[in-house]
Amino acid sequence: DAKTTQPTSMDCAEGRAANLPCNHSTISGNEYVYWYRQIHSQGPQYIIHGLKNNETNEMASLIITEDRKSSTLILPHATLRDTAVYYCIAQGAQKLVFGQGTRLTINP
Amino acid sequence: NAGVTQTPKFQVLKTGQSMTLQCAQDMNHEYMSWYRQDPGMGLRLIHYSVGAGITDQGEVPNGYNVSRSTTEDFPLRLLSAAPSQTSVYFCASSYLSGAGNEQFFGPGTRLTVL
Repeated sequence: DAKTTQPTSMDCAEGRAANLPCNHSTISGNEYVYWYRQIHSQGPQYIIHGLKNNETNEMASLIITEDRKSSTLILPHATLRDTAVYYCIAQGAQKLVFGQGTRLTINP
Repeated sequence: NAGVTQTPKFQVLKTGQSMTLQCAQDMNHEYMSWYRQDPGMGLRLIHYSVGAGITDQGEVPNGYNVSRSTTEDFPLRLLSAAPSQTSVYFCASSYLSGAGNEQFFGPGTRLTVL
């Protein structure tokens, strides 16, 4: 499983786009990039995943660089309810390995 | 669909006691797993299962047993509770496929061992 590196914390103003970076320079060809978030003490919530192409769903967009060594999760219009710890995970199987994540704080 | 359910929500044990944390899912998922999360830390995988009758160890399996007799249920047993097992326990499930899968997590069981 590839190691991922994320900033420890980030701030974003409400209504602005939140861009969360993730470095996964050792990712292998069959490993996906997953993003989950954990709001307060709740169970983690799936956001999005991708292999090579950029992906978009109702929650977020995932931009993966052409060399797949890094990615960015974009929350287009952040709200206060998006305040959470965001985990970037790069691996091929179901066994998710969670790092420390990025603590994103949305400020009014 | 109820999704992934966990019981109990909270539990206090004394050192040496045993108990079973329950996890059930109604989505017909093949894959189920247990994680623990200590304060300020990420989740760590305890045990997982890819189908009924099949279980395997994760990163931190010591002190825990699992079994998978049905697709729906994946109980986690603490054999002899220790204060080091004070944590929040999350169960998760997903389909098995090669295309990358969303995992669904339960609300967690908060366990304190005195």
